[in-house]
Amino acid sequence: DTGVSQDPRHKITKRGQNVTFRCDPISEHNRLYWYRQTLGQGPEFLTYFQNEAQLEKSRLLSDRFSAERPKGSFSTLEIQRTEQGDSAMYLCASSLRGAGDYNEQFFGPGTRLTVL
Amino acid sequence: AQSVAQPEDQVNVAEGNPLTVKCTYSVSGNPYLFWYVQYPNRGLQFLLKYITGDNLVKGSYGFEAEFNKSQTSFHLKKPSALVSDSALYFCAVRDGRDSSYKLIFGSGTRLLVRP
Repeated sequence: DTGVSQDPRHKITKRGQNVTFRCDPISEHNRLYWYRQTLGQGPEFLTYFQNEAQLEKSRLLSDRFSAERPKGSFSTLEIQRTEQGDSAMYLCASSLRGAGDYNEQFFGPGTRLTVL
Repeated sequence: AQSVAQPEDQVNVAEGNPLTVKCTYSVSGNPYLFWYVQYPNRGLQFLLKYITGDNLVKGSYGFEAEFNKSQTSFHLKKPSALVSDSALYFCAVRDGRDSSYKLIFGSGTRLLVRP
């Protein structure tokens, strides 16, 4: 499968613990996005990378959240001192920078986080 | 501020009948519009997009969408619904002036096609 992959698919943790999620984009895609989706809502933008540079962060991304994309390939999203409000599906997407920059984003299956 | 509205939480249609899932948007620049579908325990799958040109765009699985600039709408349509079309549908917009290329999503519409 050459699509976007995410690991783990599910994560259950206790409040106050740190968690880290990984996203592997489609290999030739140089743009990578993280979104968060809560029950009954559409995905909400968290952050965006072009190659290894993190170019935008949403106000939803508090200082407990950090994302990296070393070498412009896979990306990690870490949440420190998790809170119950962090429980959500975390989605990763990637896209290819092309002529006109109109390319659609391709989404991974998501990581479902449950904070007890 | 950018926003997307999907006024219907759920749409019910009989198999073989036409379906419409509604979407309206608000952006300050040129809108780039997308429809995605989400099946249980799976990620969002791209269906179609409008960037410019013909207001009627065709996408995957027989779906099409009509862009209406004056009504700021981008409704998803299909002439004949299948039971397998039952899923959660999301409309999304990107503001052409936004350098982050982020998508703003609606809250989703659940489509239920009954046999």
